Amino acid sequence: DQQVKQNSPSLSVQEGRISILNCDYTNSMFDYFLWYKKYPAEGPTFLISISSIKDKNEDGRFTVFLNKSAKHLSLHIVPSQPGDSAVYFCAAIRYSGGSNYKLTFGKGTLLTVNP
Amino acid sequence: EPEVTQTPSHQVTQMGQEVILRCVPISNHLYFYWYRQILGQKVEFLVSFYNNEISEKSEIFDDQFSVERPDGSNFTLKIRSTKLEDSAMYFCASKGLAGAGEQFFGPGTRLTVL
Repeated sequence: DQQVKQNSPSLSVQEGRISILNCDYTNSMFDYFLWYKKYPAEGPTFLISISSIKDKNEDGRFTVFLNKSAKHLSLHIVPSQPGDSAVYFCAAIRYSGGSNYKLTFGKGTLLTVNP
Repeated sequence: EPEVTQTPSHQVTQMGQEVILRCVPISNHLYFYWYRQILGQKVEFLVSFYNNEISEKSEIFDDQFSVERPDGSNFTLKIRSTKLEDSAMYFCASKGLAGAGEQFFGPGTRLTVL
């Protein structure tokens, strides 16, 4: 049941360039999307999020774009830095009422930023 | 900065044994979660917990699993009779009232079932 898909298992970019990580989803009922970053031997760390009613959210070097008609979102990192090298997970939430905000994750994309 | 902590970092057990994974969520958070990641696979939702009860559980979370918040700070995941396929990283997460969905994760417990 791959409701959230990250089709690129890895991405390699040069320091200073733009990194673009992509994510597709199949469930049109998702209300909120998030990106998490994960270093080895650590838990996922929240990076940036976007509501389904918006198409862009920016936070410093990180920008998330949402294209609802295409069921596609992307994370842009500009400029990329070696410390950004990590696994990036796309995740989605469907508000089902009550008190649950469970995350549905993609498989992740390993970003390597080369000095 | 407040953080979610988990113990132990690595647990090795024999098949059929019971294990308890422990988590201390961020102190003013009200929503608690367990996720797991089998090696090479995606992070999967197991269970969510709010107001001292399970709010949702996945198909994975069968009768062998249980969660408890025994006091005001700890949140535990118990697996009664472990199976080989339970070997995974188990992540605890918590969420406060603020924010739309951001959850804060602990560093994980690596469970190895032999």
